[in-house]
Amino acid sequence: NAGVMQNPRHLVRRRGQEARLRCSPMKGHSHVYWYRQLPEEGLKFMVYLQKENIIDESGMPKERFSAEFPKEGPSILRIQQVVRGDSAAYFCASSPQPGGAYNEQFFGPGTRLTVL
Amino acid sequence: KQEVTQIPAALSVPEGENLVLNCSFTDSAIYNLQWFRQDPGKGLTSLLLIQSSQREQTSGRLNASLDKSSGRSTLYIAASQPGDSATYLCAVRDDKIIFGKGTRLHILP
Repeated sequence: NAGVMQNPRHLVRRRGQEARLRCSPMKGHSHVYWYRQLPEEGLKFMVYLQKENIIDESGMPKERFSAEFPKEGPSILRIQQVVRGDSAAYFCASSPQPGGAYNEQFFGPGTRLTVL
Repeated sequence: KQEVTQIPAALSVPEGENLVLNCSFTDSAIYNLQWFRQDPGKGLTSLLLIQSSQREQTSGRLNASLDKSSGRSTLYIAASQPGDSATYLCAVRDDKIIFGKGTRLHILP
């Protein structure tokens, strides 16, 4: 059973371009979480999605950021008109069911976004 | 609002020593607490997960304790090795996972 997969692992964009980050959860997992790790900072929750639904987007910046988890295919984190402050490592995690004490999230290797 | 603090931010110790990393959190209403390892430029590796009803978990040379009432956890690493050099992250789970900023550990050969 492959773990959580993210691609690309490294992404370089110029200011104003769009960045699309992909996350394929573990097999059988229908819940996906995105986190951002800024340089010298801890990981911060961004958004929690189930298939075709956004459950909690309280950590998402209000503009330029969006996320989806379609019925088929990976979850996508999209950043429009990137700025240098978007440079960070973006981690995806998945779990088989939501919330609760015994629900562990499994993390992917991350995508490192560099904005020039 | 839950906040997670890890002390120290960085630590260097000679190989072979036992060491303790500290984590504190402000809201004791958590489901669990988890310790992760992160190598430079890499993802997160889960080390130990302690449920809120548990006091400690052990895996090999690692032992993690949890004191919910005082909002503290420690990660004990026995007989440290150069391969233990990494950043260690503490995270608590209530509605979300809240991470500390980590402790950068360097084991000197």
